[in-house]
Amino acid sequence: KNQVEQSPQSLIILEGKNCTLQCNYTVSPFSNLRWYKQDTGRGPVSLTIMTFSENTKSNGRYTATLDADTKQSSLHITASQLSDSASYICVVSGGGYNKLIFGAGTRLAVHP
Amino acid sequence: GAGVSQTPSNKVTEKGKYVELRCDPISGHTALYWYRQSLGQGPEFLIYFQGTGAADDSGLPNDRFFAVRPEGSVSTLKIQRTERGDSAVYLCASSLSSTGELFFGEGSRLTVL
Repeated sequence: KNQVEQSPQSLIILEGKNCTLQCNYTVSPFSNLRWYKQDTGRGPVSLTIMTFSENTKSNGRYTATLDADTKQSSLHITASQLSDSASYICVVSGGGYNKLIFGAGTRLAVHP
Repeated sequence: GAGVSQTPSNKVTEKGKYVELRCDPISGHTALYWYRQSLGQGPEFLIYFQGTGAADDSGLPNDRFFAVRPEGSVSTLKIQRTERGDSAVYLCASSLSSTGELFFGEGSRLTVL
């Protein structure tokens, strides 16, 4: 069964600290892996998209890694800000069209 | 418009009633998706349109759910005889192509009393 598992479920960090969120998937075939940020009450917003051949991709303070052999991805947030408080959702695309398998997300809270 | 627009943003209805949720995608985006998101969960796929046709409706939970996109732009998700379990946020997304980046709307929060 195609699945995307994320850990931790929730995380609290202090402003300025770094953190890493994990994503494991069993989706096959694999097309690409995406990380989305979803603020409370808003729609998800894309942070990064990585294909099979990409190991890392950065978007400002966000850096995503992908290990296609172990089917694992991580999202590293550097120098966290209060505005980083949100849910971070790992999404894997498989199949011939854009059918996405969503993880349940990691809820991040950044405290001052 | 500049982004994906969904209306209404909030809808409260009674069990058994009929509901329509509207999605106005980004102009020129041929692919349109509906997702349902329950509290604390990731979005769950409902249906995918390529142009006017439903290319994949395998995520619709039952025949009370139906979606249309008659002119290949605006889409309407229709729910008949609503049940309390239908309460969720319904997200719409569009993309330039079937493999392109998805742009999500803010969602329509449906509450069935």
